[in-house]
Amino acid sequence: QSALTQPASVSGSPGQSITISCTGTSSDVGGYNYVSWYQQHPGKAPTLIIYDVTERASGVSTRFSGSKSGNMASLTISGLQAEDEGDYYCCSYTSSPSVLFGGGTKLTVL
Amino acid sequence: QVHLQESGPGLVKSSETLSLTCAVSGYSISKGYYWGWIRQPPGKGLEWIGAIHYSGKTYYNPSLKSRVTMSVDTSKNQFSLRVNSVTAADTAVYYCARIPHTAVVTTIFHYVDYWGQGALVTVSS
Repeated sequence: QSALTQPASVSGSPGQSITISCTGTSSDVGGYNYVSWYQQHPGKAPTLIIYDVTERASGVSTRFSGSKSGNMASLTISGLQAEDEGDYYCCSYTSSPSVLFGGGTKLTVL
Repeated sequence: QVHLQESGPGLVKSSETLSLTCAVSGYSISKGYYWGWIRQPPGKGLEWIGAIHYSGKTYYNPSLKSRVTMSVDTSKNQFSLRVNSVTAADTAVYYCARIPHTAVVTTIFHYVDYWGQGALVTVSS
């Protein structure tokens, strides 16, 4: 099982929008609507932000949104804020059954 | 509020067995869900280890399956992880987690809704 593919880093200025991609295969991202996204700050456990491709977790800002097209899922953060800085991981169910994570994307708010 | 807390030795010698326990509070593991383990080597990404149901049903990452055993103790509301024959590559922060799922034809893991704070385990030579 290979990890899902994410860009190593993305950056944006406050107020801008950014999108993080997550590419898999038809056996994981493309085959199931069970893609989730997690935010992780340094030294902390990840926290759930998006589940089932598009659903926001409880308490998560509407600035966060998820989508999927084919074998690629995306996380979009609009109105970028300094507190959004951190690492972001995508995750997908895959047949086995098992779970695959992406390699992670470091978001820098300029 | 669901709370998960990992515990276990922070240092394990190479070739020996890593053992961790996750104590769950605020929710009875016998009520459902899968309960899993995820690890993160220092400076690297997340890796799924596997998950266990209170019934004892387990699913493991195929790449770790030969060395991993999970168990559950409903009387103590906790579950455990053992990884045999560890090497330096097993050095990581180990997280325990709660995993919503559906089980119709097959078991499908949806996402991780609660995470423990993580426990660093270092494998020494």
